[in-house]
Amino acid sequence: GQNIDQPTEMTATEGAIVQINCTYQTSGFNGLFWYQQHAGEAPTFLSYNVLDGLEEKGRFSSFLSRSKGYSYLLLKELQMKDSASYLCAVRDLGSGNTPLVFGKGTRLSVIA
Amino acid sequence: SAVISQKPSRDICQRGTSLTIQCQVDSQVTMMFWYRQQPGQSLTLIATANQGSEATYESGFVIDKFPISRPNLTFSTLTVSNMSPEDSSIYLCSAMDNVNTEAFFGQGTRLTVV
Repeated sequence: GQNIDQPTEMTATEGAIVQINCTYQTSGFNGLFWYQQHAGEAPTFLSYNVLDGLEEKGRFSSFLSRSKGYSYLLLKELQMKDSASYLCAVRDLGSGNTPLVFGKGTRLSVIA
Repeated sequence: SAVISQKPSRDICQRGTSLTIQCQVDSQVTMMFWYRQQPGQSLTLIATANQGSEATYESGFVIDKFPISRPNLTFSTLTVSNMSPEDSSIYLCSAMDNVNTEAFFGQGTRLTVV
């Protein structure tokens, strides 16, 4: 089975930096994903980590430690439009593309 | 990246009836999945839609309640059968191909059962 934990809610100030943590326990591991979901919309892909370390993409960075079962998503220079839910998801091992298993999501509110 | 068209975008249905949700991808994809998202909650996998064979259901979901079709590599349907108010949720179609690592999502179907 798989267990994915992330904080339920976070609040941060416009222009600041926020780090959203995710811990996971899985029987197999074949990558960790972060998605952004605005209310009433579909999730959109942000980042993917399969090896340990930091992946940077503009204002967004994602880190993975496989030995610790830990990841974080770092958002810099926060903007009001970054207010959304951020979903951590893990892919299990398997032949072909196995489905993603999602955590409960972290609802981020960016305030002025 | 694949573009997924899902319809209807929303519907209000009477209890006891059934609703079929369609998912069309603009390119051939290897895998298609159906998720459910309760209000304010994350995504729960219902099943993997297998092309040309029966879908693979997750624990707690059965074929009689959520029959799924996938006649080809670009299209799938999910039917929510004999609906009750507890089935009110957002249903999302997802697809993965052999080119991109990530999964793509349709816009979702917001279902309300009254």
